[in-house]
Amino acid sequence: ETGVTQSPTHLIKTRGQQVTLRCSSQSGHNTVSWYQQALGQGPQFIFQYYREEENGRGNFPPRFSGLQFPNYSSELNVNALELDDSALYLCASKGAGNTIYFGEGSWLTVV
Amino acid sequence: AQRVTQPEKLLSVFKGAPVELKCNYSYSGSPELFWYVQYSRQRLQLLLRHISRESIKGFTADLNKGETSFHLKKPFAQEEDSAMYYCALLNNNTNAGKSTFGDGTTLTVKP
Repeated sequence: ETGVTQSPTHLIKTRGQQVTLRCSSQSGHNTVSWYQQALGQGPQFIFQYYREEENGRGNFPPRFSGLQFPNYSSELNVNALELDDSALYLCASKGAGNTIYFGEGSWLTVV
Repeated sequence: AQRVTQPEKLLSVFKGAPVELKCNYSYSGSPELFWYVQYSRQRLQLLLRHISRESIKGFTADLNKGETSFHLKKPFAQEEDSAMYYCALLNNNTNAGKSTFGDGTTLTVKP
């Protein structure tokens, strides 16, 4: 058990809608990152937050945004959903020695 | 740009046979490399990292900077090793915390 929990586990949205995915990190882990994993691919880095500020970003458009809160929880928000946004979204918190602990992910389907 | 390549999508071996999962990377700095594993119906988890020079569940991986490789090896595969394996590279420099993953190799160990 890694202590990283995500919600919801599955959801379906319509193209153009907005979605918020949530993550609760392990206590004491100040760094949280989000990944998108499409079927048949490895996780793709979206962004990272450290102490409530974004400090790293991958090749994702601005409609992907996030928040991190002092209680080790965080959110991933995606606006103007597109069909290609359908994927598994993984939250990960960073522990000692740069080890990343993953949640089980949120499956998003955009129709 | 950093990139991780796992040339084999699928790898199948018999129990007791040696196994090697290939990983090649491109990165301009000094890399920090990891292997992650995902067993059936479980979350992605760290298997080992190169800086630890450790052996986990009989697996080892050596960083070869000349060949830019970080292959995962085990001399005698077991059925419980069947899983999805991802090689990942951590960027600690310009894009803090960005981990780049390969697309994974599905290992099947047959009895």
